[in-house]
Amino acid sequence: SAVISQKPSRDICQRGTSLTIQCQVDSQVTMMFWYRQQPGQSLTLIATANQGSEATYESGFVIDKFPISRPNLTFSTLTVSNMSPEDSSIYLCSVVDTWKSFEAFFGQGTRLTVV
Amino acid sequence: QKEVEQDPGPLSVPEGAIVSLNCTYSNSAFQYFMWYRQYSRKGPELLMYTYSSGNKEDGRFTAQVDKSSKYISLFIRDSQPSDSATYLCAMSAEAAGNKLTFGGGTRVLVKP
Repeated sequence: SAVISQKPSRDICQRGTSLTIQCQVDSQVTMMFWYRQQPGQSLTLIATANQGSEATYESGFVIDKFPISRPNLTFSTLTVSNMSPEDSSIYLCSVVDTWKSFEAFFGQGTRLTVV
Repeated sequence: QKEVEQDPGPLSVPEGAIVSLNCTYSNSAFQYFMWYRQYSRKGPELLMYTYSSGNKEDGRFTAQVDKSSKYISLFIRDSQPSDSATYLCAMSAEAAGNKLTFGGGTRVLVKP
């Protein structure tokens, strides 16, 4: 399975600021995704990070709020912009290498608290 | 109605018992079914992965998929206190580009 490293693991941020979360994979993967897990809730897909092009966002999520980059097949970033307390969540990077299988693996997550 | 339904629990069992978990879903396009285990303050860990209908066994874990009933199950035999965690079912349709739709998770507590 792919080894996924997410940074930072946690952060406490002031409202109105932005935080960029990094996801690094130890091997090239075809697909990378970003999920949000709000306190006590399950995971909700934010967007699919597309290499070299704009991310594909799910309903309820927009690029201005959650800009995503994916410059190559092993790295992606998610920025949470103009944060409010409602953005306090765990943000998770997920990868799928469709050349091998359809199994999805997750990073350890970034626990964000907005005060 | 949610696309994937999962009883939130908590499900409390004595050590050594069989843990039975299940999810129902409404989207007939789902073909890939996964079970994840998530410990507190950790990312989800893939336990089982099945494609289409049928059973799959891996050690103490057995996953079952019944596409005709839109129902999937996970059984954990000889449960251990270390199995105490939240179990999430997830599924995807190939055409959806591997995007996963998750159930709400079932919290399991195995008592020594």
